[in-house]
Amino acid sequence: DAGITQSPRHKVTETGTPVTLRCHQTENHRYMYWYRQDPGHGLRLIHYSYGVKDTDKGEVSDGYSVSRSKTEDFLLTLESATSSQTSVYFCATQLFKDADTQYFGPGTRLTVL
Amino acid sequence: GNSVTQMEGPVTLSEEAFLTINCTYTATGYPSLFWYVQYPGEGLQLLLKATKADDKGSNKGFEATYRKETTSFHLEKGSVQVSDSAVYFCALLNSGGSNYKLTFGKGTLLTVNP
Repeated sequence: DAGITQSPRHKVTETGTPVTLRCHQTENHRYMYWYRQDPGHGLRLIHYSYGVKDTDKGEVSDGYSVSRSKTEDFLLTLESATSSQTSVYFCATQLFKDADTQYFGPGTRLTVL
Repeated sequence: GNSVTQMEGPVTLSEEAFLTINCTYTATGYPSLFWYVQYPGEGLQLLLKATKADDKGSNKGFEATYRKETTSFHLEKGSVQVSDSAVYFCALLNSGGSNYKLTFGKGTLLTVNP
C-alpha cells in the first residue's frame, strides 16, 4: 500500500468545463501514473511522471494535461471536458525504476454530461 | 509494440470449482508478467508476478507460470471461493528505455456463486 488517495472520488460535470483530478501519495514513490478504465478496454495509460516536473504522454493523452510540482502530488487536468472522457480514472505509483510493482489508488468516477 | 490478450468474460463458477483465465502476450525482449485483481469498487492490486521464463508466481492459492515458448501466463486456482469474485487483469512490463509502463489486458470478470 503506497498510501494513495484520489480526490474527488466522484464528479459530475458539464461538457466544456475544466476538471482537475488529484492524486496524493505518502510513500515518496518516484513514478506516478494516470490511467483510465473503460469497459472493453481495460486500463489505458494517459500520462505518467518519472520525477518532479518530469512527465510524459501515454497512449491516450489527447485532451489531458498533467503537472507534478511536488513528489507527493500528481494532477490530471481535462482542459475542456467531453462526454468521451466519462470514465473511471486511476492513479498509480511505483517506488523506483526497478521496483516493478505498481500500487493503485481507489479511483475517481467522472461523468461528463 | 506490446500487447496482452486475455480470455473474455464473464466467467461464472460454483464455489470450489477449478479456475483458468488464459493470458497471452506480444512483446519484444524479456518482459515481466503480472496478474492484478480489482475487487468491486476498489483500485487494482497486485496478485502475483513472474519476471523471467519458467518462473511461477503464486499468491492466495492462485498460480501462473511464465511460458516463453507459448508467450503465455495463464492464471489458475484449484478451488475458488465466493470472495474471489473480482475482475482479473493480465499485464506486462517491458523495461526497455528509462521508464516503466504497464500494458494491460482488457480484464476478465469472475463471479463465484455459493
